[in-house]
Amino acid sequence: AQTVTQSQPEMSVQEAETVTLSCTYDTSENNYYLFWYKQPPSRQMILVIRQEAYKQQNATENRFSVNFQKAAKSFSLKISDSQLGDTAMYFCAFINSGAGSYQLTFGKGTKLSVIP
Amino acid sequence: DSGVTQTPKHLITATGQRVTLRCSPRSGDLSVYWYQQSLDQGLQFLIQYYNGEERAKGNILERFSAQQFPDLHSELNLSSLELGDSALYFCASSKPGRTDTQYFGPGTRLTVL
Repeated sequence: AQTVTQSQPEMSVQEAETVTLSCTYDTSENNYYLFWYKQPPSRQMILVIRQEAYKQQNATENRFSVNFQKAAKSFSLKISDSQLGDTAMYFCAFINSGAGSYQLTFGKGTKLSVIP
Repeated sequence: DSGVTQTPKHLITATGQRVTLRCSPRSGDLSVYWYQQSLDQGLQFLIQYYNGEERAKGNILERFSAQQFPDLHSELNLSSLELGDSALYFCASSKPGRTDTQYFGPGTRLTVL
């Protein structure tokens, strides 16, 4: 079974600074996808960034980038130039593309607070 | 706005009752997924449908059932409700060929009293 571990329950960062959220996962599969989802106080789940395991290049989306270390099974999220609107729960998630169902397995989340 | 709609937004009911949650996927999406978010269990996958057919089951209780209709909207039925069923229920959808990328609806907050 796949597991996703987020070891930082809470983090804070000053506005305009950079913060990195950690995620590790465990799988015996070779083909999979990794994601970071953001859940602001509105509770909406918003896709932040997506990484395909067979791609060595780290995904980036504007101020958001990942550090994907496949051998170490690590998938961290870096937020640059943090903004107040980045305050949210962040969930790391995994899909085993070989399983046929594409169900997301989520970590427990990291609560990020951006301080003015 | 993800394009996925869910109704109702909030639902308050009593133990033992039955409720139906509704989800309309984004235009063109054939897959619908249901997830439950609770304080103790976190975010858990319940069930997936693809073009009307059940594709996968996760940690879904026998008291819960779902279906996807010909117009692709989906309903999640929860019966014999217990206090522990209080949670946020999300629906997500994805396009054929891009089933790895799921877009979530705003969720239905269920409170069982």
